[in-house]
Amino acid sequence: QLQLQESGSGLVKPSQTLSLTCAVSGGSISSGGYSWSWIRQPPGKGLEWIGYIYHSGSTYYNPSLKSRVTISVDRSKNQFSLKLSSVTAADTAVYYCARGIVATTNYYFDYWGQGTLVTVSS
Amino acid sequence: EIVLTQSPGTLSLSPGERATLSCRASQSVSSSYLAWYQQKPGQAPRLLIYGASSRATGIPDRFSGSGSGTDFTLTISRLEPEDFAVYYCQQYGSSPETFGQGTKVEIK
Repeated sequence: QLQLQESGSGLVKPSQTLSLTCAVSGGSISSGGYSWSWIRQPPGKGLEWIGYIYHSGSTYYNPSLKSRVTISVDRSKNQFSLKLSSVTAADTAVYYCARGIVATTNYYFDYWGQGTLVTVSS
Repeated sequence: EIVLTQSPGTLSLSPGERATLSCRASQSVSSSYLAWYQQKPGQAPRLLIYGASSRATGIPDRFSGSGSGTDFTLTISRLEPEDFAVYYCQQYGSSPETFGQGTKVEIK
């Protein structure tokens, strides 16, 4: 059974960089046909896809966040990471990592981590 | 990007009743690449339906999806107590992937 687990700082100061890691167990992050994604949910609101990294290492980001997002992979540790720079209060959210199943060029998400709340506050 | 509008915002029903949730897209969703998720408080979303009508592994057959183009529907044939939750649709027919704002199914 595939499992994903987010970890990282729960409190980030405005203008700083948010950093999270997603550890994957029960399967290899190098398996083809999947993306490894970050999705967020502000408190009491809906879901927003942030971006993903393919098994090949290629990345694709939501255009609305592209200038601030970096997703990377560490295959030796079977994990992938998110960095979001220049954060503001609007970036306060529960951040989920998820596995994407490919359909042509885009993805739906079949396995999710439990989520981690990141608060942006001084 | 494709904007998904879900209706109603809240659906108040009793256990055993039928629930019909709507997801309307601002433009046609390619190849019916539409998924539905269930989210309970404090939990991650759970995949229910993909490809507009295919149930994900382990999803009971009381959940069904239908639709194409810009109009999609999630139907729960007989609500069980564990079905009261928030439901989201997501399109993956074009970039970027987008989600609807959710429909809350609450106990009447």
